[in-house]
Amino acid sequence: AQKITQTQPGMFVQEKEAVTLDCTYDTSDQSYGLFWYKQPSSGEMIFLIYQGSYDEQNATEGRYSLNFQKARKSTNLVISASQLGDSAMYFCAMREGTNEKLTFGTGTRLTIIP
Amino acid sequence: GAVVSQHPSWVICKSGTSVKIECRSLDFQATTMFWYRQFPKQSLMLMATSNEGSKATYEQGVEKDKFLINHASLTLSTLTVTSAHPEDSSFYICSVAPGNTIYFGEGSWLTVV
Repeated sequence: AQKITQTQPGMFVQEKEAVTLDCTYDTSDQSYGLFWYKQPSSGEMIFLIYQGSYDEQNATEGRYSLNFQKARKSTNLVISASQLGDSAMYFCAMREGTNEKLTFGTGTRLTIIP
Repeated sequence: GAVVSQHPSWVICKSGTSVKIECRSLDFQATTMFWYRQFPKQSLMLMATSNEGSKATYEQGVEKDKFLINHASLTLSTLTVTSAHPEDSSFYICSVAPGNTIYFGEGSWLTVV
């Protein structure tokens, strides 16, 4: 079974609209961490936001926020007021237990339309 | 500022030669670093865990004799692709984990011709 599932291969969103990128995960660990990264065409992996499994509040970082639903094992990324520069691949990833290595989803290619 | 620096960003080498990629932790001492590989239009896959002062731990299916990892100091890990072939052409990227957050280097594009 896939540990990280991103069901949206691609999305097109009008500039200034909000966008939600879906991610579900599968783990038997009680302690885990969930990450979102942005990968522009240059290839670098830009850290966006982190949610720990024991965090009670949904994580927020500027225009990025997470809709963390632990019981459903989902951690959707919400980007508010999208900008043209948000066009990129977005990856959801998980760290299990105290391990520092990540398992990645297949990614979602987001295109912002002017 | 950057937490991890990777070099080179781009490298083209001839088939059969070896290529070394460096990953430097800039702001903290990393006893562990991670190397990932990403083929075109695919996701990142973990190749190996680089351990300072000891042998690297390789993921299943990754040839340890082909992908040599050296982590001689707390700020530097190197990945050497030995006897490179065109199928090794890929994007290689390293990561470090200072606390809860995991940061990546800029990545290295390898093309074997």
